[in-house]
Amino acid sequence: GQNIDQPTEMTATEGAIVQINCTYQTSGFNGLFWYQQHAGEAPTFLSYNVLDGLEEKGRFSSFLSRSKGYSYLLLKELQMKDSASYLCAFNQAGTALIFGKGTTLSVSS
Amino acid sequence: EAGVTQSPTHLIKTRGQQATLRCSPISGHTSVYWYQQALGLGLQFLLWYDEGEERNRGNFPPRFSGRQFPNYSSELNVNALELEDSALYLCASSPGLAGRHEQFFGPGTRLTVL
Repeated sequence: GQNIDQPTEMTATEGAIVQINCTYQTSGFNGLFWYQQHAGEAPTFLSYNVLDGLEEKGRFSSFLSRSKGYSYLLLKELQMKDSASYLCAFNQAGTALIFGKGTTLSVSS
Repeated sequence: EAGVTQSPTHLIKTRGQQATLRCSPISGHTSVYWYQQALGLGLQFLLWYDEGEERNRGNFPPRFSGRQFPNYSSELNVNALELEDSALYLCASSPGLAGRHEQFFGPGTRLTVL
């Protein structure tokens, strides 16, 4: 079967670094996505990993290990506006994305 | 470049009625996906259309149906509405089977069933 798991909630302070983990189980894996969703808004694309390793994009980085079925999203120099839900999703053999339930990140001053 | 658009923004129906939600993809995108996001749950995949054909559907009853038009816009129909159908319905588009399959989301339609 297919399964995807991530923590429900995380808290951090401004300027800190936070790592949001995601584990998944599937066959026919075709990429791992991270999306950001602010309350009441549509998800927006953050990153995509299809090969093992780290992808860096400004303050955000995403890591993938296909053999371990594991990914993380790393957010550096946290800002208040980073308070949002972070959604992990995998693409299975070109079909629709399968999403986790999301991790709600609260950033405090 | 215009993003994915959805209409209406909000929709209020009563139990047993039918709801029709509409989506226009980004120009050049041939794939349209529908997701349901109920309170406290993650995005649940509903339907995927590409080039006018239904390519895949999620674990939802047949009263959830839809279609894709020749201009690639799409419509989601929900028949015999139930209270638990109240949710945010998100549409996403992508360039189709090629590429990285990144999906771009519209703002959603908030459906409330009374």
